[in-house]
Parts: sequence; structure tokens; C-alpha cells
Amino acid sequence: GAGVSQSPSNKVTEKGKDVELRCDPISGHTALYWYRQSLGQGLEFLIYFQGNSAPDKSGLPSDRFSAERTGGSVSTLTIQRTQQEDSAVYLCASSLYGQGAYEQYFGPGTRLTVT
Amino acid sequence: AQSVAQPEDQVNVAEGNPLTVKCTYSVSGNPYLFWYVQYPNRGLQFLLKYITGDNLVKGSYGFEAEFNKSQTSFHLKKPSALVSDSALYFCAVRDGNDMRFGAGTRLTVKP
Repeated sequence: GAGVSQSPSNKVTEKGKDVELRCDPISGHTALYWYRQSLGQGLEFLIYFQGNSAPDKSGLPSDRFSAERTGGSVSTLTIQRTQQEDSAVYLCASSLYGQGAYEQYFGPGTRLTVT
Repeated sequence: AQSVAQPEDQVNVAEGNPLTVKCTYSVSGNPYLFWYVQYPNRGLQFLLKYITGDNLVKGSYGFEAEFNKSQTSFHLKKPSALVSDSALYFCAVRDGNDMRFGAGTRLTVKP
């Protein structure tokens, strides 16, 4: 079946512009996560959605970052007034449920470059 | 909070030799532990997980991992490395709703 998809695969934007990154999780997966990865480094947790519950936003680095998940499926991560330090690969993952032994399935990522 | 540590940034092995990528964990209670692999310019792929039961877990691409409770370790192993195994490997632990990842270990397998 289809895996997690993300779009765009690459995004180059000018400093100060807003960007939207999209994630389409695996159908039926109730949990969705956003991570940020800089230059092949570790993963930085950003935000987590589980079903209809309020999202866990504890990882968002500033109020310029926000995310929503419509209809329990597609999610959009929005970065306002982008800064050069926002340049990274943004990874989306989904899992059947958000707790227990359920593994996450990752999308290919969106590489964001802020010039 | 649960956490994992990967003590080696880089591991180099020769093709055909056994490989080990180390991971130690810090949890309260029984851990759910995972290994993921990231090939260049790709997202992370799930390799294997430990839930309970047999301490030796077998996963994709011939990898296996040994859960050792007394040493709080979950090292990834493969009996015979391939050049195509060269990638970035992440250990992770489930912490409630979240998954905590290690910093990653870059494995290079040389011909």
C-alpha cells in the first residue's frame, strides 16, 4: 500500500516568507508526527497528533511554527517569517496508534532552504 | 523521561565482517525499543523492535538486535556487513505518546 507522502520534496524560500509543508499519512493511521533533521543529524521532535485529541505542541521551537491536521488525515506544517536557521529536512511520520509498540513510518521529507 | 544514547558517532567495518551499532537506554518500566535506518536522501525506515519476550529480535535486511536488561542495552548487529548497509542508524524508545531518538550512528562499510 501507499506509504507516507510529503510535498514538496524541496522548497527554497527567501528569508521572511511563509512556507507550508504537507504530509499525507498512511490511511488508517491515527497518530502523526513532525520532526526536523538538520544536515543528517538527529531528529528533533516538533509536534504530535493523535486522533481528535489536542496536539502535543511541546517541540515547536517558536510561535512562528504551527501545524494542523484536517479530518484526522492530511497535515500541514506552516512556518511564518522563515529564518535561515529554519533550513533543514522536515520529516513526517505516522503510526497506527501513538502509544505502545507501534512503529512509525516516515515520509521522504521536505528539504527546506531559506536564503 | 525515557531516553536512548548512541555512544558512537561513526562505525567503520570491512565488508563481510560482523557489525555492531550500540544503543543504551534509560527508562522506567518495560521499554519499547526500536531501530531505524536512513539511507542517503531518504526518510527513516523501520528495521526492528523489541516489545517483550525473546531478547534477540530479528528484523529487515538480516539485522538483529539483542535486548540486555542488566546492561540496559539494545545493540544492533549483523553477522556479515554489506557495502549497501552504509547508512545512518537511529535507536529509539517509546516514551508515552512520543518516540525519543538517539543522535544517530553513521555506519560505513568498506569493500
